[in-house]
Amino acid sequence: DGGITQSPKYLFRKEGQNVTLSCEQNLNHDAMYWYRQDPGQGLRLIYYSQIVNDFQKGDIAEGYSVSREKKESFPLTVTSAQKNPTAFYLCASSLGHGVQETQYFGPGTRLLVL
Amino acid sequence: SQQGEEDPQALSIQEGENATMNCSYKTSINNLQWYRQNSGRGLVHLILIRSNEREKHSGRLRVTLDTSKKSSSLLITASRAADTASYFCATHTGANSKLTFGKGITLSVRP
Repeated sequence: DGGITQSPKYLFRKEGQNVTLSCEQNLNHDAMYWYRQDPGQGLRLIYYSQIVNDFQKGDIAEGYSVSREKKESFPLTVTSAQKNPTAFYLCASSLGHGVQETQYFGPGTRLLVL
Repeated sequence: SQQGEEDPQALSIQEGENATMNCSYKTSINNLQWYRQNSGRGLVHLILIRSNEREKHSGRLRVTLDTSKKSSSLLITASRAADTASYFCATHTGANSKLTFGKGITLSVRP
């Protein structure tokens, strides 16, 4: 059963705490992405990775960090520096080899602040 | 920065009617894609149209692209209640694989 999985479905963060969102894909895709979705804002790119051991900042990277140590995994850490982390976080992947690509999305993680 | 802007923001139609959604963008593109999102779920790719294409069909979906006006439209024919969702256009502009998404259109199809 191929696809992208995200966990957990819901995550609660306390003040000053770092939390990590998991994203795993078994599609053998090179490229992976993290988006944040707020009501009425659409999707905004946080970080993306074109290949293992390499990643670039997106439009709203401040307060977030990522790693890409394995092809199938692209975890996102929401640090305490992110002052407004409540949002729906979506992970996606694509082949990463060309310009006519589509992205495949996971089911999302909803992050709430306690 | 928002590359794609969808119009209208919300659309409510009766089952069986056609739904037309529009997307405008600002800079030259390699391709434009439409995605669908059911409430609280991830996005699902619907259709991709290249910059050198003018029209594309997939089942009940018809997409047009006018690069001179920097705009695209998505037509869903004979809509069903199950088409109720948010629809996003996304543009691909650079040499890498990242996309820029619009804010989305909320479509409600009344049974």
